Amino acid sequence: LAKTTQPISMDSYEGQEVNITCSHNNIATNDYITWYQQFPSQGPRFIIQGYKTKVTNEVASLFIPADRKSSTLSLPRVSLSDTAVYYCLVAPDTGRRALTFGSGTRLQVQP
Amino acid sequence: GAGVSQSPSNKVTEKGKDVELRCDPISGHTALYWYRQRLGQGLEFLIYFQGNSAPDKSGLPSDRFSAERTGESVSTLTIQRTQQEDSAVYLCASSLGGDSYEQYFGPGTRLTVT
Repeated sequence: LAKTTQPISMDSYEGQEVNITCSHNNIATNDYITWYQQFPSQGPRFIIQGYKTKVTNEVASLFIPADRKSSTLSLPRVSLSDTAVYYCLVAPDTGRRALTFGSGTRLQVQP
Repeated sequence: GAGVSQSPSNKVTEKGKDVELRCDPISGHTALYWYRQRLGQGLEFLIYFQGNSAPDKSGLPSDRFSAERTGESVSTLTIQRTQQEDSAVYLCASSLGGDSYEQYFGPGTRLTVT
């Protein structure tokens, strides 16, 4: 399974755009990139998933360069409620899709 | 609709006792996962059920851990002869299976072994 590396923590202010970059140098051809969000005392919540280029939904955008060795989660105009831990995961296309979670990035949004 | 539910929400047990944790997945979800999360850390995969296929038990840390699933519904995770290092939050997730990577997590069971 491809290992992921992301910053341990980030700070931002309300209204700003936040970009969290994750590196996954050993990503395999059939691997997808998935991001989850976790609030304290809750289970993780799926945010977005992509394979290449750019994916956008109502919550976030995911940018994946051509070599797919990294990805960037972009959160537009964060609010205090976006304070959470964000996990970048690489999931194989075949077999089980159990997710390997690293330590994640702890985002703290200040007023 | 109803999400994934887990019970109990909190469990305190003495070292050496057995515990059973329950997960009710979302109806229609064929895939079910158990994870463990120690304080301040990411999730560790424990076991995966997909339909009627043999479960993937590759993440179970020892033979004290076991899990069962009845068809495509309820699952129970059993920890025998609990140890203090078993203290963690145990999270269950379900998904549609197939090509879906989106997993829906329950609130977890916080297990404390004294």
